[in-house]
Amino acid sequence: NAGVMQNPRHLVRRRGQEARLRCSPMKGHSHVYWYRQLPEEGLKFMVYLQKENIIDESGMPKERFSAEFPKEGPSILRIQQVVRGDSAAYFCASSPGQLNNEKLFFGSGTQLSVL
Amino acid sequence: TQLLEQSPQFLSIQEGENLTVYCNSSSVFSSLQWYRQEPGEGPVLLVTVVTGGEVKKLKRLTFQFGDARKDSSLHITAAQPGDTGLYLCAGDDSYQLIWGAGTKLIIKP
Repeated sequence: NAGVMQNPRHLVRRRGQEARLRCSPMKGHSHVYWYRQLPEEGLKFMVYLQKENIIDESGMPKERFSAEFPKEGPSILRIQQVVRGDSAAYFCASSPGQLNNEKLFFGSGTQLSVL
Repeated sequence: TQLLEQSPQFLSIQEGENLTVYCNSSSVFSSLQWYRQEPGEGPVLLVTVVTGGEVKKLKRLTFQFGDARKDSSLHITAAQPGDTGLYLCAGDDSYQLIWGAGTKLIIKP
């Protein structure tokens, strides 16, 4: 049973380009969470999705950032017109149900570097 | 706004020593989780504590949840180089996790 798969592991973009980060949850998991981590800091919640629905996007900037979790295929975190401040590690996690008392499984992250 | 403060931020000790790291908040959490993260990887769950005063042991690691469910500690006995990593605590706030900034632990051989 494969774990949470994120790709790419490393992504380099120039300012103004688009970044697409993909996350395939563990088999049987229908809940996906995206987090962002800056060096020497904890994780910051961005968005919580279930299949085809965004449940909570309160941690995600209103502009340039969007997320989806389609019926088929991976969850996508999309950052348009990237800026240097978007450079960070982006982690995806999945769970079989809502978070309360559920174990959260993390992917290995995508390290985004904006030049 | 709920906050979790972890201390110390950084700890470097010799192999064989004991250590305790702390996770404190002014808020009550229904549960609290401890994770360990290695460079270039995602956090891995070590333990979840739910009941006030609860103590859980994982080999040489002892986790305690405060009676008021606002704070927690992680004690490592006879630390080994393999314990090196970033230790994060996270409080359960509905379907979000509120994260501390972590304690970076280095165990020198």
